Amino acid sequence: EADIYQTPRYLVIGTGKKITLECSQTMGHDKMYWYQQDPGMELHLIHYSYGVNSTEKGDLSSESTVSRIRTEHFPLTLESARPSHTSQYLCASSPPAGGPRTDTQYFGPGTRLTVL
Amino acid sequence: EDKVVQSPLSLVVHEGDTVTLNCSYEVTNFRSLLWYKQEKKAPTFLFMLTSSGIEKKSGRLSSILDKKELFSILNITATQTGDSAIYLCAGSNNAGNMLTFGGGTRLMVKP
Repeated sequence: EADIYQTPRYLVIGTGKKITLECSQTMGHDKMYWYQQDPGMELHLIHYSYGVNSTEKGDLSSESTVSRIRTEHFPLTLESARPSHTSQYLCASSPPAGGPRTDTQYFGPGTRLTVL
Repeated sequence: EDKVVQSPLSLVVHEGDTVTLNCSYEVTNFRSLLWYKQEKKAPTFLFMLTSSGIEKKSGRLSSILDKKELFSILNITATQTGDSAIYLCAGSNNAGNMLTFGGGTRLMVKP
């Protein structure tokens, strides 16, 4: 199993603030993902990365940005938070191609964001 | 566009019952089908299935894939209240880079 960490776990912040949600994994996984999930709703992919210096937007349009300067670290930034950004943000990673679990994504504990 | 559909949307059973959760998929260049359990927070991995007809089993949970009919089922026998969760299935293509998730089945097991 992957060790994948997200901080903070909970965040309540005012409109207009800049925030960064942290995600780190210690398994050397090359692929990393950010999902947004509202309570009881589907997972929506918002960003992904296949490796260092690789970032792509996902299926769901998002005002957030990501960076991948190090393999283990994939932070997500909102330049100006709005109440519509209130949601749970889940980070995931998966192993390199060729292994038995290459398709499996392992999820972090999530960050529950509330923007007032 | 790839699509994964789960049924039922929700299910309420009593402890000891057996449940079957369904997942149908349309994934271009399909490679594998994954099942996750999501309680209060993040999804946790249950099974990955790549071959048709071979059952994977873990305790009271088992799953099987039918690549001809494009579906998978997840069985839970002798359900317990701790099985209450949302169960997600997801399809992966042969690039293995993306998962297409279904909407989940919400299972509630009553004492």
